[in-house]
Amino acid sequence: EPEVTQTPSHQVTQMGQEVILRCVPISNHLYFYWYRQILGQKVEFLVSFYNNEISEKSEIFDDQFSVERPDGSNFTLKIRSTKLEDSAMYFCASKLALDADTQYFGPGTRLTVL
Amino acid sequence: GQQVMQIPQYQHVQEGEDFTTYCNSSTTLSNIQWYKQRPGGHPVFLIQLVKSGEVKKQKRLTFQFGEAKKNSSLHITATQTTDVGTYFCAVTGGGADGLTFGKGTHLIIQP
Repeated sequence: EPEVTQTPSHQVTQMGQEVILRCVPISNHLYFYWYRQILGQKVEFLVSFYNNEISEKSEIFDDQFSVERPDGSNFTLKIRSTKLEDSAMYFCASKLALDADTQYFGPGTRLTVL
Repeated sequence: GQQVMQIPQYQHVQEGEDFTTYCNSSTTLSNIQWYKQRPGGHPVFLIQLVKSGEVKKQKRLTFQFGEAKKNSSLHITATQTTDVGTYFCAVTGGGADGLTFGKGTHLIIQP
């Protein structure tokens, strides 16, 4: 069964450094998402992406965040200058079509900012 | 945006007992989804409810959507150790919109 994959599984970085989290959505899916989950808390929506542009973003997704689909398979989340409070699990998700019910989540990248 | 309140936050049950988690909204929802997240895992889609008063079953899991489409519940009959995890409800405005998750109910099963 096709899966969303994410790399790396764990990223440790120093405060102020840039990080890029990578995702490979399911190949025929058209809608892509990033979520984060601070340890022990709920999953929070960051951004949705379709047709090479952002469809929707939350208040969390400020100027420090950006997303990109650099080629036909990868979908990346960049945090320009990480803060301690960016430490969280970041999940990528994809959806087949506009009217599809299911978002398929990747295994996540655990980001630790020191 | 839409918000959902989910209770309880934690639920301890003996294996074999039933479990229920509830989601409530102050506004009418167009739909509600349920996800399960195993410890250390990622959210996995369980079901979407759309119609007023809808009831859907998946083996020991029963999902309900209230008549006013402002609340929903997930009920597990005769819990098993494989049911351990956090159950989240989530809502979306549809289309490309992201999901707004409830805080989740952590199901802890004591053998």
